[in-house]
Amino acid sequence: AQTVTQSQPEMSVQEAETVTLSCTYDTSESDYYLFWYKQPPSRQMILVIRQEAYKQQNATENRFSVNFQKAAKSFSLKISDSQLGDAAMYFCAYRSSTGNQFYFGTGTSLTVIP
Amino acid sequence: EAQVTQNPRYLITVTGKKLTVTCSQNMNHEYMSWYRQDPGLGLRQIYYSMNVEVTDKGDVPEGYKVSRKEKRNFPLILESPSPNQTSLYFCASSFGGQPQHFGDGTRLSIL
Repeated sequence: AQTVTQSQPEMSVQEAETVTLSCTYDTSESDYYLFWYKQPPSRQMILVIRQEAYKQQNATENRFSVNFQKAAKSFSLKISDSQLGDAAMYFCAYRSSTGNQFYFGTGTSLTVIP
Repeated sequence: EAQVTQNPRYLITVTGKKLTVTCSQNMNHEYMSWYRQDPGLGLRQIYYSMNVEVTDKGDVPEGYKVSRKEKRNFPLILESPSPNQTSLYFCASSFGGQPQHFGDGTRLSIL
């Protein structure tokens, strides 16, 4: 089974600053999908960003971008100009293009300091 | 509005009393899945379904059952709940490799 590792249980960032959340994964497959989800205190799961492994270009969504290093099996999330509303638990997730299971990391709790 | 609807949102029950958590999606998604979320463990997949009448085990299927008789519905059944099944449960659906849409979660407490 694939594994997804988030080594930072907690992170904090000053408002308007930049923070990077790390995620590594273990797989022998060449084609797969990676996701970052945000879970605010309301506990909803909200998609932040998605990356297909065959695309070399890093995905970007407004203030959110990823650093996808396929050879290193690393998929970090960068949040620029952090806002109070970014405070949440962030989960990294993996799904192969041929398999049917999703694998999630254990999450990183992000605090934004005013 | 595209959505995944779970019911109930909260449930407190006792050991051994059968319960069902319903899940319905209105996006015609083929793929549906159930997860449980526990502190420090993230989300773990219980069961998933690729289409009607096609279901398979995830990482933590013990003590759970599912069925997929219609495309839109994917109920989670606990035949004889035990306290170690106290958790936050999420249903999700998706099409192909697209991101999953999640329900709002069900907080289940088993005494």
